[in-house]
Amino acid sequence: SQKIEQNSEALNIQEGKTATLTCNYTNYSPAYLQWYRQDPGRGPVFLLLIRENEKEKRKERLKVTFDTTLKQSLFHITASQPADSATYLCALDEMDSSYKLIFGSGTRLLVRP
Amino acid sequence: DVKVTQSSRYLVKRTGEKVFLECVQDMDHENMFWYRQDPGLGLRLIYFSYDVKMKEKGDIPEGYSVSREKKERFSLILESASTNQTSMYLCASSGGINQPQHFGDGTRLSIL
Repeated sequence: SQKIEQNSEALNIQEGKTATLTCNYTNYSPAYLQWYRQDPGRGPVFLLLIRENEKEKRKERLKVTFDTTLKQSLFHITASQPADSATYLCALDEMDSSYKLIFGSGTRLLVRP
Repeated sequence: DVKVTQSSRYLVKRTGEKVFLECVQDMDHENMFWYRQDPGLGLRLIYFSYDVKMKEKGDIPEGYSVSREKKERFSLILESASTNQTSMYLCASSGGINQPQHFGDGTRLSIL
């Protein structure tokens, strides 16, 4: 079965630097991959979706890459700000159902002022 | 903007009670989902529905049931609450295949 691995240790960086978060999957390559942001006590909020035939997607200070050979997605936040501090989740579509997503446990990002 | 509203932010119930969690979305989405989120385990799918009166089991349906009588409303029912159902419950909706999911703010449920 598909497993998603995100670094469980918090990523602690200085304001202004680029944060890079990793999402690895173990089995089949998904048709698409999504990234979400979750703040404490709140539901996840959708950020970006990238399809298997796309190498890179950008939205303002956010960039996502998708490498099906490495079975990995990287999520970058450039010029990071303390307000970017949150937990970031990656999610993949399930092989037998494009309706359903499998979520990683998330990586917590802390941006120091 | 899509709005997904869950009826309660916090709920405390007793073991053995029947518990109803309600979720309403305002974007005419076909698909609705119920997850629970526990530390270290991430989001786990309980049930989902792709149309009115249609439902499918997710990864952890035991001890739960759902109801979708209207397109905008998806209810999660704990038939006989147990302490191991203490968790954060999240409802989501999406507009179709390969579409993002939009989440409510969750219900933190404690079973005593």
